[in-house]
Amino acid sequence: AQKVTQAQTEISVVEKEDVTLDCVYETRDTTYYLFWYKQPPSGELVFLIRRNSFDEQNEISGRYSWNFQKSTSSFNFTITASQVVDSAVYFCALSEAHGSGNTGKLIFGQGTTLQVKP
Amino acid sequence: DGGITQSPKYLFRKEGQNVTLSCEQNLNHDAMYWYRQDPGQGLRLIYYSQIVNDFQKGDIAEGYSVSREKKESFPLTVTSAQKNPTAFYLCASSSLAGGFGEQFFGPGTRLTVL
Repeated sequence: AQKVTQAQTEISVVEKEDVTLDCVYETRDTTYYLFWYKQPPSGELVFLIRRNSFDEQNEISGRYSWNFQKSTSSFNFTITASQVVDSAVYFCALSEAHGSGNTGKLIFGQGTTLQVKP
Repeated sequence: DGGITQSPKYLFRKEGQNVTLSCEQNLNHDAMYWYRQDPGQGLRLIYYSQIVNDFQKGDIAEGYSVSREKKESFPLTVTSAQKNPTAFYLCASSSLAGGFGEQFFGPGTRLTVL
């Protein structure tokens, strides 16, 4: 069965610290997609990144970086020099099994609440 | 601007009443989704639709109903059969062309049963 696990329920850091949010997934598919979303206090989910299973290159976007490792089924997210505005709930998600057809459905982890203190 | 709108932002309902949550998108996306989020929890899929006039149950469809008469609209009705409807409801859409596109989310509707 497909599953996404975000073992860290809550993380609290002080501004300017680096922080890594863990995401571990399970799937039998060879072709799949992984996503990260941010949910600020306003509630709307904001898309951060999509990565397909054939692209294991790490990606950096400003203070954000993602480390995708197929060998350990992980897709971790690091925020460098955290800021108060980074405080939010972060969700990792996995595309539904390809055998089900392309429904576009995502399987979400439980989310990690990040609090950045000034 | 392209995006997803949900209305109302806050909704209060008396027990035994049906209520309908609106979701509209102008992104020309094929697929639309409804999620429920309870405090401190992740997202659970209620219903989804890949094409007009067709929709499928998600993981927690009981007590909910939907329709997809137009590509841009996917309203969700919370019926009196839903035992615990107080929650935050999020609508999303995605393009199914060219593989797995990201889902875009609306601002959400917070439903409270009085």
